[in-house]
Amino acid sequence: AQSVAQPEDQVNVAEGNPLTVKCTYSVSGNPYLFWYVQYPNRGLQFLLKYITGDNLVKGSYGFEAEFNKSQTSFHLKKPSALVSDSALYFCAVRPLNDYKLSFGAGTTVTVRA
Amino acid sequence: DADVTQTPRNRITKTGKRIMLECSQTKGHDRMYWYRQDPGLGLRLIYYSFDVKDINKGEISDGYSVSRQAQAKFSLSLESAIPNQTALYFCATSGLGGGELFFGEGSRLTVL
Repeated sequence: AQSVAQPEDQVNVAEGNPLTVKCTYSVSGNPYLFWYVQYPNRGLQFLLKYITGDNLVKGSYGFEAEFNKSQTSFHLKKPSALVSDSALYFCAVRPLNDYKLSFGAGTTVTVRA
Repeated sequence: DADVTQTPRNRITKTGKRIMLECSQTKGHDRMYWYRQDPGLGLRLIYYSFDVKDINKGEISDGYSVSRQAQAKFSLSLESAIPNQTALYFCATSGLGGGELFFGEGSRLTVL
């Protein structure tokens, strides 16, 4: 069975500083990896995904994520955080041959002005 | 209009009552899902359907049932609600290709 770990419940950064949200995963075979963001009282919005190819994936709102197969990680990054990036972020994984997505517990990001 | 619409958005009910949460989508996707979100637990899959004649249990299906009335409609039922079913419920869809999910705005259910 697949699983996702987001080791930090909360991440606090100052506006303009780099933002990293960590994710490690466990899955049989090659993974499909995803990041989603949830703003208060809203549904989850897709940010980016890794399926194959370049290990650095670029997504919406200036976010990117780096796939590291040896460390089974898929950390989300943004070079310069904005106050509007404050939200709940979820990492998710599924095997290539299965459409059931497993989510991490989520990381709350707070960007202070 | 939203691509994935959930009704009701908020519902307070009592233990033992039957509750139905409805989901409709305009994305033309075959695959539909119901997830439950609890603080600190992320999202957990309740049921999923890959077409109108296909219904599958997820990781936490006990106490829930679903109906896929049409390609665009997927409803979740709690036959006899209990307090630990208090949660935020999300419907989602996906297409055949890339696999990302498209979520509704959520239905917040409180069972007293």
